Amino acid sequence: QQQVKQSPQSLIVQKGGISIINCAYENTAFDYFPWYQQFPGKGPALLIAIRPDVSEKKEGRFTISFNKSAKQFSLHIMDSQPGDSATYFCAAQMNTGFQKLVFGTGTRLLVSP
Amino acid sequence: GAVVSQHPSRVICKSGTSVKIECRSLDFQATTMFWYRQFPKKSLMLMATSNEGSKATYEQGVEKDKFLINHASLTLSTLTVTSAHPEDSSFYICSARGVPGVSTDTQYFGPGTRLTVL
Repeated sequence: QQQVKQSPQSLIVQKGGISIINCAYENTAFDYFPWYQQFPGKGPALLIAIRPDVSEKKEGRFTISFNKSAKQFSLHIMDSQPGDSATYFCAAQMNTGFQKLVFGTGTRLLVSP
Repeated sequence: GAVVSQHPSRVICKSGTSVKIECRSLDFQATTMFWYRQFPKKSLMLMATSNEGSKATYEQGVEKDKFLINHASLTLSTLTVTSAHPEDSSFYICSARGVPGVSTDTQYFGPGTRLTVL
């Protein structure tokens, strides 16, 4: 119940295309859903985040779509660029206790020129 | 944006020695800091949660005597790997979350520390 399932494991997209990464969760105690971008040898950087009372959030080329009834959320990267090549992690934060983050397994995105 | 630093970025040590890693929130006060471990091409694994001025809470399976965590102030937490062995070699990352009322939802991550134990 604590898991966050993320797919696909890896993704290759042509420059200018749309990258889509999906995540699903089961625990309704999660109430905050951030996405992190990580480059090799670096720490994760917050990309965008959403709460379950909103179905979509857009920041620049990055959009989160959230389906509360299905317990699913996804990241869309529009006009993907080679500089977007990185590993992306979805996460879900508990609304109790220390409000720990539960991470997905990560998606390695490669945007080909 | 909120900035978290870690020092050192890389450390190589001999087996049996202890290594201390510092995590600092540079432009905000962090009531809660988290320590993660990440293996190559894997996700982040939470090791422990620390609140300023209190003992750290360790995740199941993490040896508290091996991984000593101190959260002495609202801007500094340290992780000490005691009697390090080659299997402790990993990428250690800290994160910090702010004071209630100021961006409390978001964890901001440090750049990570690569530990290699010979």
